[in-house]
Amino acid sequence: ELKVEQNPLFLSMQEGKNYTIYCNYSTTSDRLYWYRQDPGKSLESLFVLLSNGAVKQEGRLMASLDTKARLSTLHITAAVHDLSATYFCAVENSGYALNFGKGTSLLVTP
Amino acid sequence: DAGVTQSPTHLIKTRGQQVTLRCSPKSGHDTVSWYQQALGQGPQFIFQYYEEEERQRGNFPDRFSGHQFPNYSSELNVNALLLGDSALYLCASDGGETQYFGPGTRLLVL
Repeated sequence: ELKVEQNPLFLSMQEGKNYTIYCNYSTTSDRLYWYRQDPGKSLESLFVLLSNGAVKQEGRLMASLDTKARLSTLHITAAVHDLSATYFCAVENSGYALNFGKGTSLLVTP
Repeated sequence: DAGVTQSPTHLIKTRGQQVTLRCSPKSGHDTVSWYQQALGQGPQFIFQYYEEEERQRGNFPDRFSGHQFPNYSSELNVNALLLGDSALYLCASDGGETQYFGPGTRLLVL
């Protein structure tokens, strides 16, 4: 069974600081996804990572994938309040289903 | 271009009742997946429909069933509702590059 583990589960950080969210998964997979979810809202697609060494950046967020280590990271640079949300990583299972981690609840404070 | 749409947005039912949730995928997307997200958890895969057939199923009982129509829209049916079925139900459509999620239906079972 494919397991996806995220850490930390809760993160409080000051504006302007940098931090990294980690996502480990248990079996090989073709794709890894990062989603953002605001309270009471649906999931917004942030990144899709397809191959070993893939790196994608959008604004203050950068995601990377190491398929050999079965590890993805989501790096936050110079955090701002608008980044406060829950971030999920998800790994594609057998080409169809997405297996999600428990999510990282991020709070950015002044 | 309309994104993924779901109806209704909210629903309240009592134990033992049956419910039907509806989803229309993004234009051009032919694959629909359903996920259940309990409060404070990551989404859990229920099943996926492609070409009007259930292609893959997650670890959910037979009380959960679905259907896909020729226009690719989909329904999720849940029979004999339990308190534990209270959750946000998300529909996702897949055009091959990533899965896009709809706004969800929040179901409360009393």
